[in-house]
Amino acid sequence: AQRVTQPEKLLSVFKGAPVELKCNYSYSGSPELFWYVQYSRQRLQLLLRHISRESIKGFTADLNKGETSFHLKKPFAQEEDSAMYYCALSGGSGGFKTIFGAGTRLFVKA
Amino acid sequence: EAGVAQSPRYKIIEKRQSVAFWCNPISGHATLYWYQQILGQGPKLLIQFQNNGVVDDSQLPKDRFSAERLKGVDSTLKIQPAKLEDSAVYLCASSQRGPHYEQYFGPGTRLTVT
Repeated sequence: AQRVTQPEKLLSVFKGAPVELKCNYSYSGSPELFWYVQYSRQRLQLLLRHISRESIKGFTADLNKGETSFHLKKPFAQEEDSAMYYCALSGGSGGFKTIFGAGTRLFVKA
Repeated sequence: EAGVAQSPRYKIIEKRQSVAFWCNPISGHATLYWYQQILGQGPKLLIQFQNNGVVDDSQLPKDRFSAERLKGVDSTLKIQPAKLEDSAVYLCASSQRGPHYEQYFGPGTRLTVT
């Protein structure tokens, strides 16, 4: 069965420290992986997707098919990075379903 | 561009009552999604439309939930009758084509069933 696992519900780091939000997935095939973010009182929005291989707001994520992981990383956390982060997978037998992880709340302390 | 619109933003009903949510996607977006997000969980896909046809509704509790997308634009999601466990935020999203494209989310409707 397709599944997205985010093992940490809460991650608290100090400003300037490195951040890694973990995402593991279970999928038989070639999925599309995404990171979505929800800042306080804002809508859920796309942060980045693996096929674009971009760095957005200093965040990067590498798809590791061997470890079935798509961890989100940033070398120096900023207070404005505090938000809820969701890892998502698009795929399925019909190629159409999107599955979200439970999310990780990142709190960056001053 | 205007974002995805949803109404109402909040709704409180008693169990066994019915409720309807409305969504207006971004103009030109062919794919529309309804998600249910229970507190502390990630969004769960209920139904996905491509234009006005259903692509996936495998997680939609069809005995009480129904959804339609008239003319491939606006969509409504209905619950009848509601149960306590339906208390959640209902999110609507749209994308240019399928889920391999970026999904744009609405503000959500927070439903409380008492």
